[in-house]
Amino acid sequence: AQTVTQSQPEMSVQEAETVTLSCTYDTSESDYYLFWYKQPPSRQMILVIRQEAYKQQNATENRFSVNFQKAAKSFSLKISDSQLGDAAMYFCAYRRTGGSGGGADGLTFGKGTHLIIQP
Amino acid sequence: DAGVIQSPRHEVTEMGQEVTLRCKPISGHDYLFWYRQTMMRGLELLIYFNNNVPIDDSGMPEDRFSAKMPNASFSTLKIQPSEPRDSAVYFCASSPNPYNEQFFGPGTRLTVL
Repeated sequence: AQTVTQSQPEMSVQEAETVTLSCTYDTSESDYYLFWYKQPPSRQMILVIRQEAYKQQNATENRFSVNFQKAAKSFSLKISDSQLGDAAMYFCAYRRTGGSGGGADGLTFGKGTHLIIQP
Repeated sequence: DAGVIQSPRHEVTEMGQEVTLRCKPISGHDYLFWYRQTMMRGLELLIYFNNNVPIDDSGMPEDRFSAKMPNASFSTLKIQPSEPRDSAVYFCASSPNPYNEQFFGPGTRLTVL
């Protein structure tokens, strides 16, 4: 079974600074997807960024970028120029691809990192 | 598009009562997922459907939980009888195919007294 570990229950960063959230995962699959979701106090789950395992290039979305290390099974999220609106819980998630049997599994989530932005 | 719609947003009930949570996925999405979020266990997959057919219900905690998807635009998650330990936020999510991210609804916060 796949597992996702987020070792930082809480992180704090000054506004406009850069912060990196850590995520490691365990899988025997070679092809899969990784995601970072943001959950603000409204509890809505919002996709931040996604990464396909077969792509070597790290994904970027504006101020958000990832450092994907497939051999190390590491998938960290970097937030540049932190803004007050970035304050939220951040969840790392794994989803395997269809594989030989087809189909799609649900997401396996880490326990989350609570990001605090200091003004 | 309106996104994934869930109802009710909040539900408070007493132990032993039946609870029904509802979900309308994004039109055209063939995959529908039900998740539960608690402080202790985090986000867990309960069940998912593909083209209205349940594919994997191994996450359903016990027989008190059941889920249906009678058509492509509607799914229910039912708990009967409810217990205080069922208190959680229940999310519905949909996805157009196996390769895309899942789009989440706003969740239903269930409190069982």
